[in-house]
Amino acid sequence: QLLLQESGPGLVKPSETLSLTCTVSGGSISNTAYFWGWIRQPPGKGLEWVGSIFYSATTYYNPSLESRVTLSVDTSKNQFSLRLSSVTAADTAVYYCARRGGFCSGGSCSFHFDSWGQGTLVTVST
Amino acid sequence: SYELTQPPSVSVSPGQTASFTCSGDKLVRKFVSWYQQKPGQSPVLVIYQHSKRPSGIPERFSGSTSGNTATLTISGTQAIDEADYYCQAWDSSIYVVFGGGTKLTVL
Repeated sequence: QLLLQESGPGLVKPSETLSLTCTVSGGSISNTAYFWGWIRQPPGKGLEWVGSIFYSATTYYNPSLESRVTLSVDTSKNQFSLRLSSVTAADTAVYYCARRGGFCSGGSCSFHFDSWGQGTLVTVST
Repeated sequence: SYELTQPPSVSVSPGQTASFTCSGDKLVRKFVSWYQQKPGQSPVLVIYQHSKRPSGIPERFSGSTSGNTATLTISGTQAIDEADYYCQAWDSSIYVVFGGGTKLTVL
């Protein structure tokens, strides 16, 4: 059974960098069938995709966050990580890591997140 | 950038059919997924590629897409189905986009 577990500080000061790690167990992060992603959810609000990464370190970012987001992967530890710089209160959210399946064909893509971590709340505050 | 629009809420009585809509430009050309999220829990994939059900998802969940609208249908709605439901699709402008979510209340 695939398990994903987020870890990292629950409190970050404004203007600093948020750093989270997702540890994958029960499956290999190097599986070429999948990307790995981060999705966040501000309290009481909807889901927002942050970014996705392949085991080879190919990345895709939400254009609205791209200037502040960096994803990385460590295949030796079966982990991938998120860094979000210059955070503000608007970045307060539950951050989920997830496995992304799907494919691209004929100019369109089918992406879906089929396994999710439990999520971790990150609060941006002094 | 691309947007998916969902109504904020849907209410049904137990045993009835619940329908959730998700609207977006030329949505039929994109592959739509649906997620269920119960309070305090992580989202769960219930439909992908418009109409496919992952293993373990009950048959009462079904999906379809026509034109600019995708629909998630729950037949014989149960109290345990009370949750928020999100649609999601790919677009070249944003890569992955979620709808704003619809809250299902089972009366």
